[in-house]
Amino acid sequence: EAQVTQNPRYLITVTGKKLTVTCSQNMNHEYMSWYRQDPGLGLRQIYYSMNVEVTDKGDVPEGYKVSRKEKRNFPLILESPSPNQTSLYFCASSQNTEAFFGQGTRLTVV
Amino acid sequence: KNQVEQSPQSLIILEGKNCTLQCNYTVSPFSNLRWYKQDTGRGPVSLTIMTFSENTKSNRRYTATLDADTKQSSLHITASQLSDSASYICVVSPLRATDSWGKFQFGAGTQVVVTP
Repeated sequence: EAQVTQNPRYLITVTGKKLTVTCSQNMNHEYMSWYRQDPGLGLRQIYYSMNVEVTDKGDVPEGYKVSRKEKRNFPLILESPSPNQTSLYFCASSQNTEAFFGQGTRLTVV
Repeated sequence: KNQVEQSPQSLIILEGKNCTLQCNYTVSPFSNLRWYKQDTGRGPVSLTIMTFSENTKSNRRYTATLDADTKQSSLHITASQLSDSASYICVVSPLRATDSWGKFQFGAGTQVVVTP
């Protein structure tokens, strides 16, 4: 079954404590991307990757890092989380015209 | 300014009734337009996708239309069911061969609530 898997689904952390949200896809897609979703703002792109070792900033990259060392994985790293990064995060992968989203990670930074 | 505007922001409809959601975009040139359904707390799931040359696409009780001249799309839900309660998101891909995937433009979504 085609899947994009994010972990964890829920996370509460404290300001400044580094965290990583993992994302894995089993469809051999080249394109992967991270989004955050906040009430009234819709999905906003954080970073995307067009292939292994190829990443680029989206619309709201500040405070985030990503890596793409292998095709299936695209982790999102928050080196020093702040309360304004409290949000619902989605990972997505795509090939050609179809995009698949993960189930989301709800992050709370206190 | 967001290049994809959706309306209404939210709507409540009775079970069994029809409704139509609107999407206006300024992305140009564009490659394709998609409608996604997002249940609360879940990831978006694709409903339809249309290229600039298509003007209608159906998926069960969902019918999407596209007018590339006026840059408008609509999503029509027929005989709504309680399970249709969700956010519906319009997504437009610009026509850029090298990184069209990376530059998807998302609407803010229309929240639909279907009541018994």
